[in-house]
Amino acid sequence: DAGVTQSPTHLIKTRGQQVTLRCSPKSGHDTVSWYQQALGQGPQFIFQYYEEEERQRGNFPDRFSGHQFPNYSSELNVNALLLGDSALYLCASSLRGSSGYTFGSGTRLTVV
Amino acid sequence: AQSVTQPDIHITVSEGASLELRCNYSYGATPYLFWYVQSPGQGLQLLLKYFSGDTLVQGIKGFEAEFKRSQSSFNLRKPSVHWSDAAEYFCAVQSQGGSEKLVFGKGTKLTVNP
Repeated sequence: DAGVTQSPTHLIKTRGQQVTLRCSPKSGHDTVSWYQQALGQGPQFIFQYYEEEERQRGNFPDRFSGHQFPNYSSELNVNALLLGDSALYLCASSLRGSSGYTFGSGTRLTVV
Repeated sequence: AQSVTQPDIHITVSEGASLELRCNYSYGATPYLFWYVQSPGQGLQLLLKYFSGDTLVQGIKGFEAEFKRSQSSFNLRKPSVHWSDAAEYFCAVQSQGGSEKLVFGKGTKLTVNP
């Protein structure tokens, strides 16, 4: 049973560019959450998607946007990249109404 | 607002020694409580969770944690640490009800000396 799959694993972008990160949830899960983990910090909640809609959002600017597809997979888009966006981006999937999250291995984004 | 404090940024123990990692939370009601472990460059693996009931919970890899409501704490323990336990440990809280966001502490990095 595949867990949460994220792609790519590493990415280098230039300031001002746009980036798209992808996540396939664990089989049987229908909810996807995204977290940003800066170096030396704990993960910070970005937003959560369920039924192709954003259901919760953390304290992130609207440069951060997302999407969920009918197969429950999700994308995280970041526009106008800043150096401070360099971080590990984690995707977590769950079954709506449950409290169990499964995390992917993350995408390491470096903005230069 | 929910918050989680892990007072120890870095802890070093010898292999075979006991371990206790501290976690305190601030929240209006009793939240769900979690401990996750992260190896370098990896995602998060759930060690254990507390929802209700017995305040001493057992997890994977020989870890346990004790919920103390009076102290708003959820400390992680292991009687005998193995070299493979070296990693970063995160405490997290979640509002009861499921599907709510996780709020994490800043983590404690564990180094294990041979």
